[in-house]
Amino acid sequence: DVKVTQSSRYLVKRTGEKVFLECVQDMDHENMFWYRQDPGLGLRLIYFSYDVKMKEKGDIPEGYSVSREKKERFSLILESASTNQTSMYLCASRAPPGRAKNIQYFGAGTRLSVL
Amino acid sequence: GENVEQHPSTLSVQEGDSAVIKCTYSDSASNYFPWYKQELGKRPQLIIDIRSNVGEKKDQRIAVTLNKTAKHFSLHITETQPEDSAVYFCAASITGGGADGLTFGKGTHLIIQP
Repeated sequence: DVKVTQSSRYLVKRTGEKVFLECVQDMDHENMFWYRQDPGLGLRLIYFSYDVKMKEKGDIPEGYSVSREKKERFSLILESASTNQTSMYLCASRAPPGRAKNIQYFGAGTRLSVL
Repeated sequence: GENVEQHPSTLSVQEGDSAVIKCTYSDSASNYFPWYKQELGKRPQLIIDIRSNVGEKKDQRIAVTLNKTAKHFSLHITETQPEDSAVYFCAASITGGGADGLTFGKGTHLIIQP
């Protein structure tokens, strides 16, 4: 079974703090993704990475950055947290297209509150 | 970019009845359409998916249909049971290279009434 692990289930931070959300997968997947989930808005793609040190902006990258130094780990960074970044953050990983099924596997999510 | 619309936002059906959730997409190049189920407090999990070279796919009580011309796809759940209560998300993407992310609909909260 694919395992995608997010380091924290709940996080409370103050406005202006630098925040790191960590995600680790154990299936040697090249592709990893960060989404945020808000009521009534569904899941929206923030950033994705197709390999180590590679990153691409998703639909809502403003206010976020990412780091992929190792294949199994994909970090989401909030350089200066703001209250409108209070949300549920979901990490996902996937084998590249053509290898096995094109399925994204999700982590359990990190609920971030910025006060 | 891709835009996915999902309806209805809330659907309440009697146990044993069928439920249908509909999605439309905007990018005719999209060729992969998964459906995810998210139970309260849990992660989204894939329940069924369909590719653009197929018009319909079934897996026990769930089925997905795709109309490429109209850019519609739908999830059908028959003989609904209490454990089907959850939020369901449709999504669309273009596969074939790169790490294209999924564009999700806003979700449908399915409520199964006993």
